[in-house]
Amino acid sequence: AQKITQTQPGMFVQEKEAVTLDCTYDTSDPSYGLFWYKQPSSGEMIFLIYQGSYDQQNATEGRYSLNFQKARKSANLVISASQLGDSAMYFCAMREVNTGNQFYFGTGTSLTVIP
Amino acid sequence: NAGVMQNPRHLVRRRGQEARLRCSPMKGHSHVYWYRQLPEEGLKFMVYLQKENIIDESGMPKERFSAEFPKEGPSILRIQQVVRGDSAAYFCASSPRDSGRELFFGEGSRLTVL
Repeated sequence: AQKITQTQPGMFVQEKEAVTLDCTYDTSDPSYGLFWYKQPSSGEMIFLIYQGSYDQQNATEGRYSLNFQKARKSANLVISASQLGDSAMYFCAMREVNTGNQFYFGTGTSLTVIP
Repeated sequence: NAGVMQNPRHLVRRRGQEARLRCSPMKGHSHVYWYRQLPEEGLKFMVYLQKENIIDESGMPKERFSAEFPKEGPSILRIQQVVRGDSAAYFCASSPRDSGRELFFGEGSRLTVL
């Protein structure tokens, strides 16, 4: 089974609108972390936001927020007030703390912001 | 994340040659991960190392690929007898010893096999 599933290969959003990128995960480890990374066309991987499995509140970092629904095992990324510079690939990832510390990545979502 | 240094950034090899990719983790980080990204695809885990130990190499191809993280010096991903299918971006990431919050990536090494 896939550890991380991103079902949206590509998404479009109008500039200044909000957009949600979907991510579901699969783990039996009670202790885990969820991450989102941005990969612009230049290729580097940029850390955006983190959510711990025991965190009570949804994580927020500026225009990024993580909609964490533990029972549904989803960790959607919400980008508010989209900007042209947000156009990039976005990867969801998970780290299982008690099961080897390995990081698992989804296949990514390509976001295009339309002016 | 500029603290994770990978070199070379770009490497061109002919089929049958060897490729060596180096990764210096952020200062104080003792966990190193290698990932491979094929064109238009996501990151595939290859290997997870701590100093002088391979912790998880379940993502490494059984032949031609090896990795090390010596006590001194950078982590090295070595690909022997490269083939065209090895052409990809190889990312190294490091993590602090006692924190799981972040994985800091290098800028990647792009291998092209002619």
